[in-house]
Amino acid sequence: DAKTTQPNSMESNEEEPVHLPCNHSTISGTDYIHWYRQLPSQGPEYVIHGLTSNVNNRMASLAIAEDRKSSTLILHRATLRDAAVYYCILRDHGGSQGNLIFGKGTKLSVKP
Amino acid sequence: GAVVSQHPSWVICKSGTSVKIECRSLDFQATTMFWYRQFPKQSLMLMATSNEGSKATYEQGVEKDKFLINHASLTLSTLTVTSAHPEDSSFYICSAIYWAQYNSPLHFGNGTRLTVT
Repeated sequence: DAKTTQPNSMESNEEEPVHLPCNHSTISGTDYIHWYRQLPSQGPEYVIHGLTSNVNNRMASLAIAEDRKSSTLILHRATLRDAAVYYCILRDHGGSQGNLIFGKGTKLSVKP
Repeated sequence: GAVVSQHPSWVICKSGTSVKIECRSLDFQATTMFWYRQFPKQSLMLMATSNEGSKATYEQGVEKDKFLINHASLTLSTLTVTSAHPEDSSFYICSAIYWAQYNSPLHFGNGTRLTVT
């Protein structure tokens, strides 16, 4: 599976936008970019995913570079409940397993 | 939305005993379930993949005789940690998917924290 690189940690102030970067220079043509987050002592939660075009949903936006070698998860207004570890994962939708391989993720801290 | 329920949320057991963890898909048929393990301050590590009605596929380094996985129905998979030892203390998380929707998000349970004394 192609690998992703994320900063270990980031800090944000409450109600400010947060941009979480992810590098995936070895991404293949069939890899989708998935983002999950894990709140303390909980299972991961799906955030968003995309292939080439930018994506928006009620939780976040995903901006994908034109060469697809990097992406950015955007939380438009961080809240204290957004404090979590955010995982950027490449998932081959042409694969037969469907499982996710987790990296170390970015631990986001949100200050009031 | 799709819901995966995991039970128990936490369990404490004595060394040498066995513990069973249940993972249920509440509103969809989970043809495939994945079991992960997470040690403190580390990421999730895939332990095994289980397809309904067949034997689980274990990742390298995971002992299949120690971590027994049963996926006898489309809504239930169980993980039994046999002869548990303190080093098995961890956060165990299941996830489920319907095979025809492999491009859909994975749905995760809320995890089971196992402490072996």
